[in-house]
Amino acid sequence: EVQLVESGGGLVQPGGSLRLSCAASGFTFSSYWMNWVRQAPRKGLEWVANIKQDGSEKYYVDSVKGRFTISRDNAKNSLYLQVNSLRAEDTAIYYCAREFRGYGMDVWGQGTTVTVSS
Amino acid sequence: DIQMTQSPSTLSASVGDRVTITCRASQSISSWLAWYQQRPGKAPKLLIYKASGLESGVPSRFSGSGSGTEFTLTISSLQPDDFATYYCQQYNSYPWTFGQGTKVEIK
Repeated sequence: EVQLVESGGGLVQPGGSLRLSCAASGFTFSSYWMNWVRQAPRKGLEWVANIKQDGSEKYYVDSVKGRFTISRDNAKNSLYLQVNSLRAEDTAIYYCAREFRGYGMDVWGQGTTVTVSS
Repeated sequence: DIQMTQSPSTLSASVGDRVTITCRASQSISSWLAWYQQRPGKAPKLLIYKASGLESGVPSRFSGSGSGTEFTLTISSLQPDDFATYYCQQYNSYPWTFGQGTKVEIK
């Protein structure tokens, strides 16, 4: 079964850091671009970042540039998002999603919740 | 950044109704558009890719059309499972952007 499972979310104070993880199974992880998408409480979807199969290309939404870092370990079938200098507006469910290039994001995890509050 | 604008924001409809949701891009995105369905408390689900391609396993009552800046998602006969929020998303240029969502409610 094709599956993505996120972990690493939690409650963190403003200015704090977390490392979100996404474990992939059931497909050849190293063959796909991978994405992070977030959803603030009662709000819509916001694309955060993505990374090429070999990690050689990474793209970010402006609001997280310099604070968030996307990475992957193909040997461990895992995607990561290092989130630093967290702000209240980063509070959201963070989803990882597989991208079939040119066809959209076709597999999604269940999400991990990040809450930034003092 | 490319702005995606959906209309309406909320839609009230009955089972069996034909429903159309519109998505407009602030500049041309060719056909690089996807539609997603999100039920409450669940992750989004891909319905349509490249503006009109039906994702495997998605019922044929869902269809997409359009190119350039104007796109539509149509549900030909609304079913109980279809009451959800729908999002369009462009992947023509970074940053990828989503529309604000259209909530389809029971009338």
